[in-house]
Amino acid sequence: EAQVTQNPRYLITVTGKKLTVTCSQNMNHEYMSWYRQDPGLGLRQIYYSMNVEVTDKGDVPEGYKVSRKEKRNFPLILESPSPNQTSLYFCASRRDRSETQYFGPGTRLLVL
Amino acid sequence: AQSVTQPDIHITVSEGASLELRCNYSYGATPYLFWYVQSPGQGLQLLLKYFSGDTLVQGIKGFEAEFKRSQSSFNLRKPSVHWSDAAEYFCAARDSGGGADGLTFGKGTHLIIQP
Repeated sequence: EAQVTQNPRYLITVTGKKLTVTCSQNMNHEYMSWYRQDPGLGLRQIYYSMNVEVTDKGDVPEGYKVSRKEKRNFPLILESPSPNQTSLYFCASRRDRSETQYFGPGTRLLVL
Repeated sequence: AQSVTQPDIHITVSEGASLELRCNYSYGATPYLFWYVQSPGQGLQLLLKYFSGDTLVQGIKGFEAEFKRSQSSFNLRKPSVHWSDAAEYFCAARDSGGGADGLTFGKGTHLIIQP
């Protein structure tokens, strides 16, 4: 089954404790993205990647890092999480620029 | 700046009634346009998309949307809503040229279905 998977689905952590949210897709898609969703703000792009080793900032990249060492994986790294990063995070992928994005199930993060 | 606007934060519709959710975009050129639905506690599901061609687009679950270039709009419609349509609906757009890669989302419209 074609899908985008994220782990963990739920995470509670404390300020400053590094964490990684994994994202994996099994569709051989070149484009992958991370979004965060906050009430009243909709979804906003954090980072995106157009291929292995090619990443770029989205609209709200501050406090986040990403890497794309393999085509299928696109982890989101929070080196020093802060409470304002409490949010619902979505990973997405698509084959190329003209194609539809497929979203993962989301990761709900709470930073205390 | 590129933007997507959903003017209605909440809409309440009676079951069986028709529905229209509004979406306006502001882009230099006509973007790719999408409607997504998010049920409570769930991820995003694509309802339909417009890239080019026929301005009336059919989607899943009985939804359709009409692209109107003159109004910079891409409104979502359904002739008869069901209780299961209660959800958050997001309009989104993406640059169709060589510009920014990501989707720009509207802030969402929360649809409430009255019995």
